Amino acid sequence: QAQLVQSGSEVKPPGASVKVSCKASGYSFTSYFMQWVRQAPGQGLEWVGLIHPSGGHTNYAQKFRGSVTFTADTSTNTVYMEVSGLRFEDTAVYYCARELGTMDSWGQGTLVTVSS
Amino acid sequence: QAGLTQPPSVSKDLRQTATLTCNGTSNNVGYLGASWLQQHQGHPPKLLAYRDASRPSGISERFSASKSGNAVFLTITGLQAEDEADYYCSAWDSSLNAWVFGGGTKLTVL
Repeated sequence: QAQLVQSGSEVKPPGASVKVSCKASGYSFTSYFMQWVRQAPGQGLEWVGLIHPSGGHTNYAQKFRGSVTFTADTSTNTVYMEVSGLRFEDTAVYYCARELGTMDSWGQGTLVTVSS
Repeated sequence: QAGLTQPPSVSKDLRQTATLTCNGTSNNVGYLGASWLQQHQGHPPKLLAYRDASRPSGISERFSASKSGNAVFLTITGLQAEDEADYYCSAWDSSLNAWVFGGGTKLTVL
């Protein structure tokens, strides 16, 4: 079955960048969208954007345009999310999720802490 | 951006039935339907239902979903202690060209 394994926790100072990876296995990597969703401490789920690994089509939520970049490496079945210009309010767990009409498989989450 | 609307909390007794609601618009829930996710503290979300009423394999029949107009509902029968979690609805919004989530409902099983 589908499995998504994300990179480990990160601590970054304000203004820095962070790159989170999400390695997929158990399904056809290029046949599904990959969504990114974040969850601030004690808060709900917030959509960050998506990438289609086949062709690299991306769509970012309006509030993240210009600060988030998604890429995909089809040779390793891995997608990446880079967040630049980190602010304290970017502290959150970031999830990747496979999607084809619904988000049916989720990574374990990566905690990104922005701290000085 | 606008999301879906869920009540923040619901409390029900053990072995009772809980029905959670999620209200959207014709641009999201009423467009392509919605999904329900369950999230236990410290864990990633888990898909419970999609396309309004379909249930993934491995999900208990105690969980059933339905839709009426621009609202979707998740009914949990025979509540168990392990059902205590946060529940989110999600849908694609055709006017925002974005995925939207409800704010989540915290279900407490008494």
